[in-house]
Amino acid sequence: GAGVSQSPSNKVTEKGKDVELRCDPISGHTALYWYRQSLGQGLEFLIYFQGNSAPDKSGLPSDRFSAERTGGSVSTLTIQRTQQEDSAVYLCASSVGQGTYNEQFFGPGTRLTVL
Amino acid sequence: AQTVTQSQPEMSVQEAETVTLSCTYDTSESDYYLFWYKQPPSRQMILVIRQEAYKQQNATENRFSVNFQKAAKSFSLKISDSQLGDAAMYFCAYRSAYGGSEKLVFGKGTKLTVNP
Repeated sequence: GAGVSQSPSNKVTEKGKDVELRCDPISGHTALYWYRQSLGQGLEFLIYFQGNSAPDKSGLPSDRFSAERTGGSVSTLTIQRTQQEDSAVYLCASSVGQGTYNEQFFGPGTRLTVL
Repeated sequence: AQTVTQSQPEMSVQEAETVTLSCTYDTSESDYYLFWYKQPPSRQMILVIRQEAYKQQNATENRFSVNFQKAAKSFSLKISDSQLGDAAMYFCAYRSAYGGSEKLVFGKGTKLTVNP
């Protein structure tokens, strides 16, 4: 079956512009996660959705970052007034939302470059 | 807050040999899950192996096995009979077994090179 998909694959923007990153989870997965991977760093948690609600948004670095999920499926991560330090790969993952391991399946990521 | 440390930024191994990647973590929780993910240049994160803290037996998946030492808070990954396709970044990750958030806490990764 189809895995997690993300679009766009790459995004180049100018400082100060807003960007939207999209994530399509695996069908039937109720949980969805956003992570950020900066150059040479591990993955940093941003936000977790269960259904359409976000029980944990503790990783969002500033109020310029927001995310929503609609219909228990697609999620959009929005970064307003982008800064150069926002340049990173943004990874989305989904999981069934329950069970022992509740394994997270990752998408290929969106590479964001802020000039 | 939990932290995960991978002390080896880079490792190399000869094809067909064995290599061990280190991971330590810090937590006050008694139940949790540990994972090793592989990230090739394609950026796609792939789950390699997983372990629940309450299970004494070390997990094994084909050529991949772990040495889980709960008291030492250590979770190393052993790759046997290394293959060229094993070359990638490897990330160790922690997830709490307690409710609230299902987030993974990652180490900074180890870049593995496999030499022919």
